[in-house]
Amino acid sequence: EVQLVESGGDLVQPGGSLRLSCAASGFTLSDQLMDWVRQAPGKGLEWVGRSRNKAKSYTTEYAPSVKGRFTISRDESENSVYLQMNSLMTEDTAVYYCVALGHWGQGTLVTVSS
Amino acid sequence: DVVMTQTPLSLPVTLGQPASISCKSSQSLVSADGNTYLSWLQQRPGQPPRLLIHKISNRFSGVPDRFSGSGTGTDFTLKISRVEAEDVGVYYCMQSSQYPLTFGPGTKVDIK
Repeated sequence: EVQLVESGGDLVQPGGSLRLSCAASGFTLSDQLMDWVRQAPGKGLEWVGRSRNKAKSYTTEYAPSVKGRFTISRDESENSVYLQMNSLMTEDTAVYYCVALGHWGQGTLVTVSS
Repeated sequence: DVVMTQTPLSLPVTLGQPASISCKSSQSLVSADGNTYLSWLQQRPGQPPRLLIHKISNRFSGVPDRFSGSGTGTDFTLKISRVEAEDVGVYYCMQSSQYPLTFGPGTKVDIK
């Protein structure tokens, strides 16, 4: 059974950094692409970025709104994918979901506020 | 960027009756590999999104067959043959044919 568990959400000040984790189980992480998607409070869904699989050298793509500030990485030994978020802005406040094989995690809340 | 629009944005439905949501993309979603990466997601209140349909018409595992998807190119439709109480929530279409991936604004389905 595919399971995705996000963690690391927190309250952070504007300009700060945070790293989110997504622990994956039930599938071979290296074989699959992984997406991060976010949802601001009371709003719709916004794609954040993608990490392709090992066969495609784990290359990444990012939404224009986060490119240059956010970075996706993986640790196959930990069966985890990470979202490093730097230079955070108030508009980055959202629940962040990781997505793989059509499955979504429960999300983790990031609040950017002074 | 590909802009996704949905109509209606609000859909009151009667239990047991059919429902239909339209999704249009600003560009063709036919990918270079010949596939059309148009998905439908359901988000029940207080829950994360859940994939219902991928590549226009393919039901995801565990999705009841009362949900169906259709369409081509830039026009797509999600149909619920007979609405049940558990179908209340917001429905999103999403394209993954081009970067950045984009979502429609969502259609809120509730019971009359």
